[in-house]
Amino acid sequence: QILLQESGPGLVKPSETLSLTCNVSGGSLSSSRYYWGWIRQSPGRGLEWIASVFYSGNNYYNPSLKSRVTTSLDTSKNEFSLRLTSVTAADTAFYYCASQYASGWTPLWYFDFWGQGTLVSVSS
Amino acid sequence: QPVLTQPPSVSGAPGQTVSISCTGTSSNIGAKYDVQWYQQLPGTAPKLLIYGNFNRHSGVPDRFSVSKSGTSASLAITGLQGGDEADYYCQSYDRRLESWVFGGGTKLTVL
Repeated sequence: QILLQESGPGLVKPSETLSLTCNVSGGSLSSSRYYWGWIRQSPGRGLEWIASVFYSGNNYYNPSLKSRVTTSLDTSKNEFSLRLTSVTAADTAFYYCASQYASGWTPLWYFDFWGQGTLVSVSS
Repeated sequence: QPVLTQPPSVSGAPGQTVSISCTGTSSNIGAKYDVQWYQQLPGTAPKLLIYGNFNRHSGVPDRFSVSKSGTSASLAITGLQGGDEADYYCQSYDRRLESWVFGGGTKLTVL
């Protein structure tokens, strides 16, 4: 079983950058069978996929967020990160990292293990 | 608005069977993309229940089953237990949005 744990500030000011890190245990970030995903959840927007990253750099981003999202992955630390720029109140949400089983055709991939989530509030 | 449509709530008595629908379009479920189902217990993260349309994730009892037809899918839970009280979400891929997408979630109440 893969265990994931998010970390990062719980409060970010409007227009600033949200930064989160996900530490992974029980799985390798350089696995060819896994992408590593970010998903957020808010009352207004429900569950929303943000990004999926691969150790080779072949990443996928939600087109609606792509212009504001940067991701990175550090195999030596077994962690991956999310940066979301120019945040507004609409970015207030629980942010989850998850392992995404990536065998076969891309649309068939699924999120099999999730971190516990971290609440990020955007407020001055 | 969520891309996949689910009823906001369903309820049933212990031992009964409930069903949760998930309706999409020709750009997601109707495009024959797989549907996944997740369970979110109160105050916790979503957990994978069903993947690849019909496959139960490890440890998921066979009281949980699914069906899929056209642009819709459905999760059935038989022999309802108090521990089944949770929010349930369907998930697929949308080729028009080029995104993995989720339903709005259904709150299951065990009476």
